[in-house]
Formats: sequence, structure tokens, C-alpha cells
Amino acid sequence: DGGITQSPKYLFRKEGQNVTLSCEQNLNHDAMYWYRQDPGQGLRLIYYSQIVNDFQKGDIAEGYSVSREKKESFPLTVTSAQKNPTAFYLCASLQGWGNQPQHFGDGTRLSIL
Amino acid sequence: EDQVTQSPEALRLQEGESSSLNCSYTVSGLRGLFWYRQDPGKGPEFLFTLYSAGEEKEKERLKATLTKKESFLHITAPKPEDSATYLCAVQPQGGSEKLVFGKGTKLTVNP
Repeated sequence: DGGITQSPKYLFRKEGQNVTLSCEQNLNHDAMYWYRQDPGQGLRLIYYSQIVNDFQKGDIAEGYSVSREKKESFPLTVTSAQKNPTAFYLCASLQGWGNQPQHFGDGTRLSIL
Repeated sequence: EDQVTQSPEALRLQEGESSSLNCSYTVSGLRGLFWYRQDPGKGPEFLFTLYSAGEEKEKERLKATLTKKESFLHITAPKPEDSATYLCAVQPQGGSEKLVFGKGTKLTVNP
């Protein structure tokens, strides 16, 4: 079955540590997105990529980094510069353009040790 | 600034008790409005896309409608399995594929 796989489902970070969240899709979608979801808040866009080897900052990119070396993969690194990283992180992908819906993975919950 | 407001924040219904969720928006031109369903600990699941005022879409007990300022998600004779958080998102004009999300409505349907 085609879909978006996020791993791990749960992740713990120590102070001063960088952690990387994985997002893989086998839908052959061009665009991929990272969102952060906090309790009582709407999804907020961290980074997005419309094509391999290119990505743009979203609304809350500070303290995060991404890469897009392959079409199917869009990993997110939460750096030590992100002072409040505890949240639910969602990856999405999109086929083509023109009002198509984004499809989401099942998320990674990141907590601070 | 593009904004999406969903109301109510939470809604409790008895099984079979129909109701509506509201999504009001202000955007500089609307390319599309999306409804998603999200279960606890899961990613959002796509339900509907609406493109223009007057448009309606249906799926089982759900019906989404769109006006120039808001969208409604009508739930007819809900069942406990309809319990979830319903998210609304808009895609503004401008060539970007970015979505602006509301905070969601948490629906609980009691048996």
C-alpha cells in the first residue's frame, strides 16, 4: 500500500542534542511538508520542499533543518537551538499542483528528557 | 493575514443527534478549503476539498458546504466512531501550496 511513513513514533531528546525525524513516502509525490502540532494549536508549517534538492522555510523554521536528497525522503532535524521542541510532528506530501489535498503520515511525538 | 477560525472548540453529541461544525476564514483569495479528520495520536485523514461558494460534498454521514466566508461540516445521525478532531484548512491564492489550518473541533459522540 502507498503511504507516508514517519519514524520513530516516539522520540526523546536530551538537552543540547540534535535529533532527526524520518519521513518516507512511496506515493511518488513531488512536494513534502513538515508541520508541528501543539495542544490547542493549529498545525504550523516548519519547512516544505516542492522538488528534490530544494526547500523553503515555513512559518516556524528557527531551530530546525531539513534536506531533500531523494524524492521519497524528507528528514527533519530538530537542533539544540530549538528551545521548546516538545510537540507532535507531522509530515505530509502532495502530488502535483492545483488544489490537491496533502496526505499525512501518523506523526512523531518528541519529548524532552 | 490569512486566518482560519473553527467553532466550537469541542462538541458533545448523543448518538443520532445531528449538528454542524463551523470554519470561518479570511484569506486573500481562496484556492481551496480542506476538511480533515484526526484521531488521537494519528495524522489527519483527508475528507473533502471545496473550491467555490455554493459547492457541497458528501461522504456517508458527513456533508461539507462552502460560502464566501465560511464552511460547515454537517454531521447527520452521528455514531460513536465519528468521534475525532475535525480540522479545516484553507489554501490562499498566490502560487504557493501552503495551507493555513484552524485549531480544530473535537467531536465526542456518546452512545
